[in-house]
Amino acid sequence: QVQLVESGGGLVKPGGSLRLSCAASGFTFSDYYMSWIRQAPGKGLEWVSYISNSGGTIYYADSVKGRFTISRDNAKNSMYLQMNSLRAEDTAVYYCARSALGIGDAFDIWGQGTMVTVSS
Amino acid sequence: DIVMTQSPDSVAVSLGERATINCKSSQSVLNNSNNKNHLVWYQQKPGQPPKLLIYWASTRESGVPDRFSGSGSGTDFTLTINSLQPEDVAVYYCQQYYGIPFTFGPGTKVDIK
Repeated sequence: QVQLVESGGGLVKPGGSLRLSCAASGFTFSDYYMSWIRQAPGKGLEWVSYISNSGGTIYYADSVKGRFTISRDNAKNSMYLQMNSLRAEDTAVYYCARSALGIGDAFDIWGQGTMVTVSS
Repeated sequence: DIVMTQSPDSVAVSLGERATINCKSSQSVLNNSNNKNHLVWYQQKPGQPPKLLIYWASTRESGVPDRFSGSGSGTDFTLTINSLQPEDVAVYYCQQYYGIPFTFGPGTKVDIK
């Protein structure tokens, strides 16, 4: 079935780095734009970054620009988020999500999320 | 950035009654090239990721019960849940996909009265 599975979260100290992965299955990954979206504990949703199906178009939220890098490997049906210079305010569940085909960037498939905790 | 606001913050409705959630964008999300509103609604239950309910402001995603409906255009939108069921207890978010950054409303919690 159509599925997204995130991994790579964990506890990291302020200033540290983590690399999140999102493994896709059940659909033609290379056809779809993808995003990372995060949710701080007990808070709302915040879009983080977006990558086109080819990887040629990338956007970031201002809050992560210059610190996070999104990438994808269509041969491996995977997307990544390299997170550097992590701050306490980056603590959140990080979801990968698929942009639905033909309806713009409505996110029709979400992973279960991976928790990132930035704390000393 | 397009700022999304929602009202109320929370609402409690009796089973079988109607719940109404409002969403407002700081600028129009109507795309004049396709005459569509780039506005979606999601449902999030505790411990789960969001689930897409409505896109283009009023089109139900496949498999979503028809008690969920979306309306509105431009800057003002509404999600209506007719005949509330126990499984509808959740937080509901609107999101605009008209421009980058994509932005979400703060959420509205729906409970049973």
